[in-house]
Amino acid sequence: EAQVTQNPRYLITVTGKKLTVTCSQNMNHEYMSWYRQDPGLGLRQIYYSMNVEVTDKGDVPEGYKVSRKEKRNFPLILESPSPNQTSLYFCASSQAGVLNQPQHFGDGTRLSIL
Amino acid sequence: GDSVTQMEGPVTLSEEAFLTINCTYTATGYPSLFWYVQYPGEGLQLLLKATKADDKGSNKGFEATYRKETTSFHLEKGSVQVSDSAVYFCAPTNYGQNFVFGPGTRLSVLP
Repeated sequence: EAQVTQNPRYLITVTGKKLTVTCSQNMNHEYMSWYRQDPGLGLRQIYYSMNVEVTDKGDVPEGYKVSRKEKRNFPLILESPSPNQTSLYFCASSQAGVLNQPQHFGDGTRLSIL
Repeated sequence: GDSVTQMEGPVTLSEEAFLTINCTYTATGYPSLFWYVQYPGEGLQLLLKATKADDKGSNKGFEATYRKETTSFHLEKGSVQVSDSAVYFCAPTNYGQNFVFGPGTRLSVLP
């Protein structure tokens, strides 16, 4: 089954404690992206990657890091989380360079930073 | 840059009512247009799409027509069901790398 898998689904942690949210896709997609979803603000892109070893900032990259060492994986790293990063996070993937292909989303990770 | 204007809601309707969710966009070039739906506790999933002017996308009784002259892609359904309660996102995209999402419209359908 084609899917995007995020882990963990829920996490409560404290300010400053480094955390990683993993994302994996099994569709051989070149393009992967991270979004955060906040009430009243919709979806905002954090980082995206067009292919292995290629990453670019989205609209709200501050406080986040990503890496793309393998095509299937695109982890999101919070080196020193702060309460304003409490949010619902989504990973997505799609074919790159093809105009009419939609994104496939994971089920989300709800982070609470105390 | 590209942007989307979408009615935010919440929209509350009775079962079998007619639904319209308006979406207008600004985008460079000739984007493809998508509607995504997010059911409670889940990620977004594709509802329908249209890739050129006057195309009509349809799925699960929902329809939307690509109106290039008015840069709009309004979502409609003739008779909503309780199971349609969700958040709906309009999203124009260019070449699969510049995804822009509207703020989302929360729909609640009452029995």
